[in-house]
Amino acid sequence: EAQVTQNPRYLITVTGKKLTVTCSQNMNHEYMSWYRQDPGLGLRQIYYSMNVEVTDKGDVPEGYKVSRKEKRNFPLILESPSPNQTSLYFCASSLEWERRDTQYFGPGTRLTVL
Amino acid sequence: AQKVTQAQTEISVVEKEDVTLDCVYETRDTTYYLFWYKQPPSGELVFLIRRNSFDEQNEISGRYSWNFQKSTSSFNFTITASQVVDSAVYFCALFERNFNKFYFGSGTKLNVKP
Repeated sequence: EAQVTQNPRYLITVTGKKLTVTCSQNMNHEYMSWYRQDPGLGLRQIYYSMNVEVTDKGDVPEGYKVSRKEKRNFPLILESPSPNQTSLYFCASSLEWERRDTQYFGPGTRLTVL
Repeated sequence: AQKVTQAQTEISVVEKEDVTLDCVYETRDTTYYLFWYKQPPSGELVFLIRRNSFDEQNEISGRYSWNFQKSTSSFNFTITASQVVDSAVYFCALFERNFNKFYFGSGTKLNVKP
C-alpha cells in the first residue's frame, strides 16, 4: 500500500532533550517536506527536500534540522526542543519535482514539549 | 500578509443545508495551484481537489463543488446537502510553482448537526 509513515505518532518530551521524528515513504517520491500545524495558523512549511542530499528551508525552519540521505526517508530533528515547538507535525511527499504540488501526507505526529 | 485567507473560523449548519467555505489567496506567481484538504477529527489530511491557475472551470464532485475566480482571487468550496460526516476542519492551500512555496489557510471548522 502506497503511504507516508511517521514515527512516533505521539511524543511527550522535555525541554532540551534531542529528538527525531522519522518520515518514510514507499512510493519512490523525490520531493518531501515537513509542516507544523498550530491552532489558527494552519500548516506552515518547515523544510523541504527536492531529492537526496538536497534540502531547503520553508517558512519556519528555526529550531529544526532535516537530512535526506536516502530517497525514502526524511527525518525531522529537534536538537534542543522548546515548548513553542509543541505542535502537530506532518510529513508529505510528492512523486517528482515537476509534480511537487500534489502531496501525500503522513498521519501526523503530535509533539508536546514540557 | 496572509497568502491564503479563510475568514470563516467556524461554521455550524444543520444537516441537509448547503454551506460555502470561502478562500481568498494572494500571489504574484504566474503559475500556481490551489487545493482544498479536509481534516476530520481523527487528524489526517484528506486531499479533496487541486486546481491550476490556468484552469478556471468550476468543478463538481458529488455533493462538493468548487468555484475558482481569478478576478477575485477566490477559490470557494460548497457542500450541498451537508451531512454529519462532513464535520471537519477544511484547509485551503496555495502552491507557488516558481517560488516552490506552499501556503495554507488557517482552516474553517465545519460543524454539521443532525
